[in-house]
Amino acid sequence: QSALTQPASVSGSPGQSITISCTGTSSDVGGYNSVSWYQQHPGKAPKLMIYDVSNRPSGVSNRFAGSKSGNTASLTISGLQAEDEADYYCSSYTSSSTPYVFGTGTKVTVL
Amino acid sequence: EVQLVESGGGLVQPGGSLRLSCAASGFTFSNYWVHWVRQAPGKGLVWVSRVNGDGSSTSYADSVKGRFTISRDNAKNTLYLQMSSLRAEDTAVYYCARAGVGYCTSTSCYPAFDIWGQGTMVTVSS
Repeated sequence: QSALTQPASVSGSPGQSITISCTGTSSDVGGYNSVSWYQQHPGKAPKLMIYDVSNRPSGVSNRFAGSKSGNTASLTISGLQAEDEADYYCSSYTSSSTPYVFGTGTKVTVL
Repeated sequence: EVQLVESGGGLVQPGGSLRLSCAASGFTFSNYWVHWVRQAPGKGLVWVSRVNGDGSSTSYADSVKGRFTISRDNAKNTLYLQMSSLRAEDTAVYYCARAGVGYCTSTSCYPAFDIWGQGTMVTVSS
C-alpha cells in the first residue's frame, strides 16, 4: 500500500488561507468517507483535526475545514496563525491488506 | 483525563526483541480498537498494527507481519506490541492511538485516531 500523496510544503502569510491536498485512489480516499487529518508539531504526538472528511472534533478551531472530490481530499486552513505552523498528515481507510494509510506529510510554514 | 502513555522503548541490537506497552486511562479501554503507528526519524507516519476491543482480531502492516505481535490486557487497560527479529528500518518513535471517532455502515466502522500517546523511541543498532 503506497502512501497518499501530499505536497511537501505549503506556506502562507498570517491571516491568509491555504489548502493542502491529499491524493489517493478509489481503494482508499475515493472509496471511503473516512479521510482524517492530523497536525503534528515538532517532537509532539499527532493531533486529530478532521475526521470523516469534514468533521471537526470538539475543541478544534473552525478555521480548519476538510473536503473531498473523487480521489483527492483537501484541508483548508483559513485565517492562518503562527501556531498553525506544523506538519500535517492525511489518512484514509483502505480496502487493501493494510487497513489504514497515511499521507506523505506537508510542512506548513507561516511566513 | 483521557490518555495513553507508552513505555518500553530503547536501544536494541539487530535481530533482538522488545516489548512496548501503552497504558490507557480515562475511558473504557475495552470498548475501542487501538493501533500502533510509527514514525522513523524525520519521516512520516506509518500504520503498524491494530487490535479490536476484546483482542480477538488483529491486523499488521506487511513490513512487520510475522515479526510483531499486538495484544491487549483489558483488566490492566494496557496495549502491547511484542517486536522480534528487529531490523534497522524498525527504528522509529512508536505511538499507540485510540480509534475513537468515525462513521459506521451496517457492516463496518471506519474510525479515526482521536487519542494518541506521547510516543516511545525504539532504536535498532549494533
